[in-house]
Amino acid sequence: DAKTTQPPSMDCAEGRAANLPCNHSTISGNEYVYWYRQIHSQGPQYIIHGLKNNETNEMASLIITEDRKSSTLILPHATLRDTAVYYCIVRVTGAYKYIFGTGTRLKVLA
Amino acid sequence: EAGVTQFPSHSVIEKGQTVTLRCDPISGHDNLYWYRRVMGKEIKFLLHFVKESKQDESGMPNNRFLAERTGGTYSTLKVQPAELEDSGVYFCASSRAATNEKLFFGSGTQLSVL
Repeated sequence: DAKTTQPPSMDCAEGRAANLPCNHSTISGNEYVYWYRQIHSQGPQYIIHGLKNNETNEMASLIITEDRKSSTLILPHATLRDTAVYYCIVRVTGAYKYIFGTGTRLKVLA
Repeated sequence: EAGVTQFPSHSVIEKGQTVTLRCDPISGHDNLYWYRRVMGKEIKFLLHFVKESKQDESGMPNNRFLAERTGGTYSTLKVQPAELEDSGVYFCASSRAATNEKLFFGSGTQLSVL
């Protein structure tokens, strides 16, 4: 079973920041949080991952709470092309497979 | 650098027929994974190769599914005989290392069994 809980859908205005929450209250100390997204008819695309520190890359920022029980993916300036299903995945260090949940369907509105 | 490629992109077959899906991972990626999403369900892990060896095939639904990776390069996933419930999208992914590495996914093969 998936170890994460995400809202099923969210809307965001184009140009605004999109903040996608994820709950992973049972996360263990050696488990990473990964974010992927799937744009219609494509395969999942890696966005970012982290263990306990906040992370930022060219696509997004990942904010992990101090107790690590939840995190937020931030797309700083959402565009229409960011419309996709976003998956938050917890992955054990040394493990090789992902357990996908149902994700959050983000719709960016013009 | 070429990404993960899958062929065919779509396949429509009749129940009882055989279908073979192919995946070409990114060059140099020893780890290859198969996932699938059947109608209305979540994306599920099927199996994992390291080079030509199967590391974990715990997600394979039954013995109608056979995955191979001869020579540790491309992989095939054969469904024989196909059943209606096999319809879905089959994704292949690859990575250099097995742990703490992001996966690169292909665009998937949409399989429809009629």
